[in-house]
Amino acid sequence: DAKTTQPPSMDCAEGRAANLPCNHSTISGNEYVYWYRQIHSQGPQYIIHGLKNNETNEMASLIITEDRKSSTLILPHATLRDTAVYYCIVRVNFGNEKLTFGTGTRLTIIP
Amino acid sequence: GAGVSQSPSNKVTEKGKDVELRCDPISGHTALYWYRQRLGQGLEFLIYFQGNSAPDKSGLPSDRFSAERTGESVSTLTIQRTQQEDSAVYLCASRAQNQPQHFGDGTRLSIL
Repeated sequence: DAKTTQPPSMDCAEGRAANLPCNHSTISGNEYVYWYRQIHSQGPQYIIHGLKNNETNEMASLIITEDRKSSTLILPHATLRDTAVYYCIVRVNFGNEKLTFGTGTRLTIIP
Repeated sequence: GAGVSQSPSNKVTEKGKDVELRCDPISGHTALYWYRQRLGQGLEFLIYFQGNSAPDKSGLPSDRFSAERTGESVSTLTIQRTQQEDSAVYLCASRAQNQPQHFGDGTRLSIL
């Protein structure tokens, strides 16, 4: 799986959009971008994934650059419950069964 | 709906004792995974079950670790002769075909 780089921490005001960047400059053509998050004392939670088109679901939006070397996860109206560590990973879609996380971005939502 | 359920949520035991951790996957999920997460660190893959295929045990750190799964239901992870370095959160995940993994909240294991 390609390596990803994320900032170690970010703050965001409650009610504002949280934009979490991820660099994946060595991504291969058949690799997807996945985002998970882990709230304190809970297991990781799947958020969203995409290949090259922007994606949106009930939790978030995923914006992938045209060259696919970076992406941004957008939480449109952050709440205190969105405080968590967010992990960006790239992998072949549902392949390479072993899921591995780096250190992620610790997002803190400020009241 | 029901998610992945793990028990116990916390386990404290003495060094040298055996422990058994349980995972109830989401009904109908054919794949099941065990991971370990040490404090402040990422996920460490342990073992993977897919249907009736032979499990991928490549992540088990030593022969003190073993896991079983009966069909597509409950799985147990057993650690024999526990050591202090086994202290961690043990996470279970399951998934349906071509779907993302869904995780339980883990068992926090502390070895005294």
